[in-house]
Amino acid sequence: AQKITQTQPGMFVQEKEAVTLDCTYDTSDQSYGLFWYKQPSSGEMIFLIYQGSYDEQNATEGRYSLNFQKARKSANLVISASQLGDSAMYFCAMREILPQGAQKLVFGQGTRLTINP
Amino acid sequence: EAGVAQSPRYKIIEKRQSVAFWCNPISGHATLYWYQQILGQGPKLLIQFQNNGVVDDSQLPKDRFSAERLKGVDSTLKIQPAKLEDSAVYLCASSKGYPSAEQYFGPGTRLTVT
Repeated sequence: AQKITQTQPGMFVQEKEAVTLDCTYDTSDQSYGLFWYKQPSSGEMIFLIYQGSYDEQNATEGRYSLNFQKARKSANLVISASQLGDSAMYFCAMREILPQGAQKLVFGQGTRLTINP
Repeated sequence: EAGVAQSPRYKIIEKRQSVAFWCNPISGHATLYWYQQILGQGPKLLIQFQNNGVVDDSQLPKDRFSAERLKGVDSTLKIQPAKLEDSAVYLCASSKGYPSAEQYFGPGTRLTVT
């Protein structure tokens, strides 16, 4: 079974600094996908970035980048120039392909990020 | 484009009562998911529909939870009878249906069982 581990329950960062949120995964599949979601206090899950296992380059989306190290099975999220609005829970997730061809997401425990002014 | 809609946003019930949650996915999305998110944890998939058929319900406590997706659009998740440990946020998500499609989440329903 696939497993996602986020070892940082909470992170505190000064505004405008860069922050790295850790994520390691365990899978025996050759083809898989890794996601990062942001969950503000309002509760909705907001998609941030996606990395496919065969993608040769690290994914980037604006201030978000994914540091993908396949051999280490890690997919850390890097947020550059943090802003107060970045304060939220962040979840790493892995896509598992079901025998029926559908997909499901397996989530980690999350990291609560707090940006200090 | 309208997002995933869920109602109610909040619900408080006593244990042994029943409750139902409603989800309206993004138009045209074939796949619908119900997740349970207990406080301090990541979401856990309860059930997944492809159109109006169930694809995966391996983690759905079928003795008390049920779900349906009529006509392949809206979906309802029911709990009967509720237990204290069912207190959680219930998230609905939808996707276009192919394996690599991104999932879009609704705002969730926060259930408190007293």
